[in-house]
Order: sequence, then structure tokens, then C-alpha cells
Amino acid sequence: AQKVTQAQTEISVVEKEDVTLDCVYETRDTTYYLFWYKQPPSGELVFLIRRNSFDEQNEISGRYSWNFQKSTSSFNFTITASQVVDSAVYFCALSEANYNAGNMLTFGGGTRLMVKP
Amino acid sequence: DAGVTQSPTHLIKTRGQHVTLRCSPISGHKSVSWYQQVLGQGPQFIFQYYEKEERGRGNFPDRFSARQFPNYSSELNVNALLLGDSALYLCASSFSDREYTGELFFGEGSRLTVL
Repeated sequence: AQKVTQAQTEISVVEKEDVTLDCVYETRDTTYYLFWYKQPPSGELVFLIRRNSFDEQNEISGRYSWNFQKSTSSFNFTITASQVVDSAVYFCALSEANYNAGNMLTFGGGTRLMVKP
Repeated sequence: DAGVTQSPTHLIKTRGQHVTLRCSPISGHKSVSWYQQVLGQGPQFIFQYYEKEERGRGNFPDRFSARQFPNYSSELNVNALLLGDSALYLCASSFSDREYTGELFFGEGSRLTVL
């Protein structure tokens, strides 16, 4: 069975601080996909990144960066120089890469990030 | 371009009633998935439909059902509502039936309150 754990339920930082959101996953599959989504107060989930299990290269996109480590089953997300607009709930998710899985994502419990001015 | 649209945005029902939630995917998207998000938790997968066929079902009771129409829009039906069904119901669309070929696009959800 798949499982995603986000141990940090809530993080509060001051603007311009760097912040890392942790994500640990469990799966028996050798091929899988990992995701991060952002959920602002409006409710819709906004896709941030997808990573497959064979690509452990870290990725950077502007102020966002992701660190994927298969050895520790972690896929952490760092926001550099945080801004008030980054305040949201962030979800890490896992998907098996098999036909029967379809569009089934297993989400973690989320981390609420509050960035104060 | 319009994103994923869901209706109604908010609704209140009483225990035992039935509810129908509707979703229109992004134009050109053929797959629709439904997720339930209880307050303070992550979304949980309920169903996926692709080309009007069910492609995936999560661990939900038979009170939950869904269908997809020829125009790819979808309905989620919940019978015999329980207090625990109170949640934000999210619809997501994608072009393919395989999520890993592209990201899911989510709507803003339908918030259901069961009294």
C-alpha cells in the first residue's frame, strides 16, 4: 500500500526566510511518480512539479527547488526567499505507474505554510 | 480558456438525503477524477472516468457513484448522506487516463455540509 507522510502540519516564517517542506513516502513499486501541489484559500489544487522514480536529479524553478532522495524515500520542497503569496497548504502526492492506477494520487496530510510580512 | 468548473460551489444537506455534484473538464480533456477532502486532511481518491468508462475506484462505499457523459462532463452522486460525508469534493481533469503523462487540473471544489 502507498503512503505519504508530511510530518509538518504547520510552518510559520517571516518573509524572505527560506523554508523546507518535508515529504516521506512508502511504496512497493519500483516505478512511481511524485508530485507537489499548492492549495490556496480558493480551494483548487495547483500543480507544481512531477518527478518519476528514475530521475533523482534535483530541480530548481525560480524560488522553488525540490530534492528527491530514493535512499531515504523523501521528496522535499524548498522555497527560497519566501513571500506572503506563498502562504497556502502544500501537498505531496504519490502515483503508481500502472494501468490500473489510473489517475489515483495518494496525498499526504498537507503542510500549512504561513509567511508573515 | 475555462478551467475545470464545478457546481454547486456550496451546499447543505441533511442526513439520509442524496446529492449530485457536477464537473466540466477543461476543453479537450477526456479524463475526470473525483477526490474527497475532509477539513484538515489531504484529498482522497474516489473515482476516475475516461471515455465514459470507470478506470479507477478508491476505498469508498457503494453509496458513492459517478458517471461521465459523452461531452466528458461528470457527475458524482452520494446516497444516504452521513455526517462524515461533509467535505470539499474536488474534480480534476486531464487529457489522458494516465496521470503520469500529464498533471491533473483541479477545480475549486464543491463544499458539502451534512447536518
